[in-house]
Order: sequence, then C-alpha cells, then structure tokens
Amino acid sequence: DGGITQSPKYLFRKEGQNVTLSCEQNLNHDAMYWYRQDPGQGLRLIYYSQIVNDFQKGDIAEGYSVSREKKESFPLTVTSAQKNPTAFYLCASRAGTGYTFGSGTRLTVV
Amino acid sequence: AQSVTQLGSHVSVSEGALVLLRCNYSSSVPPYLFWYVQYPNQGLQLLLKYTTGATLVKGINGFEAEFKKSETSFHLTKPSAHMSDAAEYFCAVSLYNNNDMRFGAGTRLTVKP
Repeated sequence: DGGITQSPKYLFRKEGQNVTLSCEQNLNHDAMYWYRQDPGQGLRLIYYSQIVNDFQKGDIAEGYSVSREKKESFPLTVTSAQKNPTAFYLCASRAGTGYTFGSGTRLTVV
Repeated sequence: AQSVTQLGSHVSVSEGALVLLRCNYSSSVPPYLFWYVQYPNQGLQLLLKYTTGATLVKGINGFEAEFKKSETSFHLTKPSAHMSDAAEYFCAVSLYNNNDMRFGAGTRLTVKP
C-alpha cells in the first residue's frame, strides 16, 4: 500500500546533539512538508519542498535543516541551534488538494 | 495570509448527542477548507474537504461540514456521537496553490458514555 513512513516513532536525544528524522513516501507525490506539533498550538510549518533539490522555509525554520535529494525522501535534521526541540513532528506529502500525513515522530530531548 | 480559528479547545458530549466543532477562517481569496482527525500519537487523517461546488460537504464516519462564506465559517457536525469519535480535530485552510496550509489549534473531543 502507498503511504508515508516516518521513523523512528520515538526518539530520545541529549541536549546539544543534532538528530535526523526520516520521512519516506511511495505515493509519487512531488510536494513534501514537515510540521511541528505542540499541545494547544496546532501544526506549524517548518519546511516544505515542491520538487527534488528545492525546498522552502516555513514559519519556524530556525534550528532545522532539510534535504530533498530524492523524490521519495525528505529528512529533517533538528540541530543544536533549535532552542526547544521536544515536540511531535509530522511529515506530509501532497498531490492536488490532498495532503497525506505520516504517523509522526515524537522527539524528546533530555 | 490565511488563518483559522477553532472555537473551544475542548468539547465534551454524551454518546448519541450532536457533535458541533466550530471553525472560522480568514482569507483574501476563496479558500480550500479541510477537517482532519488525529488519534493519540498518530498522524492526521482527512475527514472532509471543501474546494469548490456544493457548500455542504459529507465526509467519513458520518461527519459533515458546511462552508458559509458570509459567516467565514466551516463548522463540523455529526448527528450522533460515538465513543470512537473521541480524538483531536483540526480545521485547516489553504489557498489555490496549496503550499501554505494553515491549521487551527485543534479541538479535543471527549465522548461520555
């Protein structure tokens, strides 16, 4: 079945370490997105990519980086510059008006 | 830029009662409007969407929503709540290019037996 796979589901890291969250899709969608979810704040856009080798900053890109070397993959790196990285991260892809979401990665920084 | 306001961060209903989750949007151009549902530690699942055409939109699991341009609203309803409807619901708005979807803060629905 087609879909989006995010891994790992839970991730623990020490403060000051960079960490990379994986997002893979087999839907053949061109556009992909990363959102951060915090309680009571809904989803906020971190980065998005409309095509391979191109990506744009969203509303809260500071402290994050992405790459889009393949259509299927859009990994997100949470760097040590991100002041409050503990959150639930959601990846999505889009064809037309329909967004498809992954099941998320919960990152906890200790 | 477009934005969404969901009225009520928590809504509690009894099983079998009407579910009404409120969403108001702002947009300078005709918007696309969406409702998503999220179960704990999972991604978002599309319930329904409005793009063009009929303003009353029917979705999955018995939910429906009506686009009211004059009220800039897109409220979600279900005639009879089921225990399995307990989840968090997000309203979202995007413009025609669809690269800037904005989400509301979410409404957590509790269903009492």
